[in-house]
Amino acid sequence: SQQGEEDPQALSIQEGENATMNCSYKTSINNLQWYRQNSGRGLVHLILIRSNEREKHSGRLRVTLDTSKKSSSLLITASRAADTASYFCAIGGKLIFGQGTELSVKP
Amino acid sequence: NAGVMQNPRHLVRRRGQEARLRCSPMKGHSHVYWYRQLPEEGLKFMVYLQKENIIDESGMPKERFSAEFPKEGPSILRIQQVVRGDSAAYFCASSPSRGGGSGNTIYFGEGSWLTVV
Repeated sequence: SQQGEEDPQALSIQEGENATMNCSYKTSINNLQWYRQNSGRGLVHLILIRSNEREKHSGRLRVTLDTSKKSSSLLITASRAADTASYFCAIGGKLIFGQGTELSVKP
Repeated sequence: NAGVMQNPRHLVRRRGQEARLRCSPMKGHSHVYWYRQLPEEGLKFMVYLQKENIIDESGMPKERFSAEFPKEGPSILRIQQVVRGDSAAYFCASSPSRGGGSGNTIYFGEGSWLTVV
């Protein structure tokens, strides 16, 4: 299966702390994308990292990619209550999603 | 620049009725994808279309489900004779050209929530 698998399934932290979510996959990829989904809403694209990139930043987000381990991580620094959402990694041309990590940031 | 527009946002159908979900891609996007999300699960790919063509329907159930993306107008996901198990959120996404694996961002709509009673 190409499916990305996120870990942990759920994460609860305090505002201001950092949150790290991991994604593992099984096939070779051209790129990997991370999305956020607030409850009852659509998916918001966060970041795309290509297979020849090791790290990418966007604001408080930092994504790493290790193609030798077939894994990626999403780090959210200085988290805010508004970061509370589910986070998904997706791979492949038609996007194969994992189950997601449910992040809860407590004020 | 409007995003991916889906309607209706919420739809209630009785068992056996038909559900039609519409999706207008972002301006300039000719590639459309449909996904289904069951409660507390991730999104599952259903179908990938370009204008007037179905490119990949490997995720579509074999019966009752169909999708189209005509030359003019929105993409339609049609579910005939709905059953309770069809209750889910259906998301449409679009990209300007072949998405994901080619490095193109795929943008999502807000979803259509189907409830079958």
